[in-house]
Amino acid sequence: AQSVAQPEDQVNVAEGNPLTVKCTYSVSGNPYLFWYVQYPNRGLQFLLKYITGDNLVKGSYGFEAEFNKSQTSFHLKKPSALVSDSALYFCAVRDPTSGSARQLTFGSGTQLTVLP
Amino acid sequence: GAGVSQTPSNKVTEKGKYVELRCDPISGHTALYWYRQSLGQGPEFLIYFQGTGAADDSGLPNDRFFAVRPEGSVSTLKIQRTERGDSAVYLCASSLSPSGGPWEQFFGPGTRLTVL
Repeated sequence: AQSVAQPEDQVNVAEGNPLTVKCTYSVSGNPYLFWYVQYPNRGLQFLLKYITGDNLVKGSYGFEAEFNKSQTSFHLKKPSALVSDSALYFCAVRDPTSGSARQLTFGSGTQLTVLP
Repeated sequence: GAGVSQTPSNKVTEKGKYVELRCDPISGHTALYWYRQSLGQGPEFLIYFQGTGAADDSGLPNDRFFAVRPEGSVSTLKIQRTERGDSAVYLCASSLSPSGGPWEQFFGPGTRLTVL
């Protein structure tokens, strides 16, 4: 079975500082990994994905994520946080080789607050 | 272009009643997914359609839940004999390709269901 852990319920960072939102995963095969962001009363918005290749992937709004196979992690990063980045962030995994290959399994979410 | 749309945005019903939730996917997306998001949690997979058929319904919690997609576009999630524990935000997503490729899922804004 596949699973995702987001160990921090809440992350606070000052505007202009770098931010990291942590994610670790567990799958039996090679994973597809995704980050989504959720603003209040809105649906999930896709940020970026890792499928294969370069371990550092770049996405929307200046976000990037680093895939680390040995640590089974896929942390979300941004060099300089904006107040408008404040939102709920979800990490998700798919195992394309499993019987539930089309299901996304989500973490419990991390609330990011960027302080002015 | 138009994204995934869901109606109604909010639904309040009484315990024991029947409800239908509608999803209109992005045009051209053959894959459609339903997820349920309870307060403070990440979305949980319910069912996946490829075209008109339910390719994976392993996430449906019990036989009170049923979904259809008769023409391969719009889908309806149906809940019979609603219970208070069914209260959640029901999210619909769509994606390209039947091939199982690494396509990201695009989410609608959700329907907030409240069962009194």
